[in-house]
Amino acid sequence: DADVTQTPRNRITKTGKRIMLECSQTKGHDRMYWYRQDPGLGLQLIYYSFDVKDINKGEISDGYSVSRQAQAKFSLSLESAIPNQTALYFCATSDSSQETQYFGPGTRLLVL
Amino acid sequence: DQQVKQNSPSLSVQEGRISILNCDYTNSMFDYFLWYKKYPAEGPTFLISISSIKDKNEDGRFTVFLNKSAKHLSLHIVPSQPGDSAVYFCAASSYDYKLSFGAGTTVTVRA
Repeated sequence: DADVTQTPRNRITKTGKRIMLECSQTKGHDRMYWYRQDPGLGLQLIYYSFDVKDINKGEISDGYSVSRQAQAKFSLSLESAIPNQTALYFCATSDSSQETQYFGPGTRLLVL
Repeated sequence: DQQVKQNSPSLSVQEGRISILNCDYTNSMFDYFLWYKKYPAEGPTFLISISSIKDKNEDGRFTVFLNKSAKHLSLHIVPSQPGDSAVYFCAASSYDYKLSFGAGTTVTVRA
């Protein structure tokens, strides 16, 4: 089984809808991250969490919110989706003693 | 403002030859650098990293070189194999453990 899983893998939604992307990990890491990738751009950090009670904004947090329900679970919400949020979304985890992050398989989101 | 730049969007190389991928950064506080490899429909996977206290790190066919004065790092793949065809991302971090990524370089290894 994969160490970092993301659900759903693909999602089509309409403008104005609320959507939640979920991430779970079995690596036992305390740090979790959400990124988005747009064509021709690198991964941009949306939100990150260093432990269950810690939530921090990244470079592009506007229009997004997150919830760290447990050490192993970190969800990303789009409260009112808009077309320019169409992108690939990746969850990642890391151990507090290391800088290397480990990524999930991604969620492809299309907002119509 | 993008702090990590990969100025070559694509690279084509013949199987068996060397692939050289380049990355430049602007933030002098970066002290740890990583390369990730990404296949279509998969997440990025960690490939190799280097700390700012070193200038070279090698792992099998992959070697990363760091030139701190030039704020430049490179990834060498020798010899290149068809399975190396992927998108390669350069990333950098500083004391806060957040990664800044380049836009990626698509490598195509020709048979």
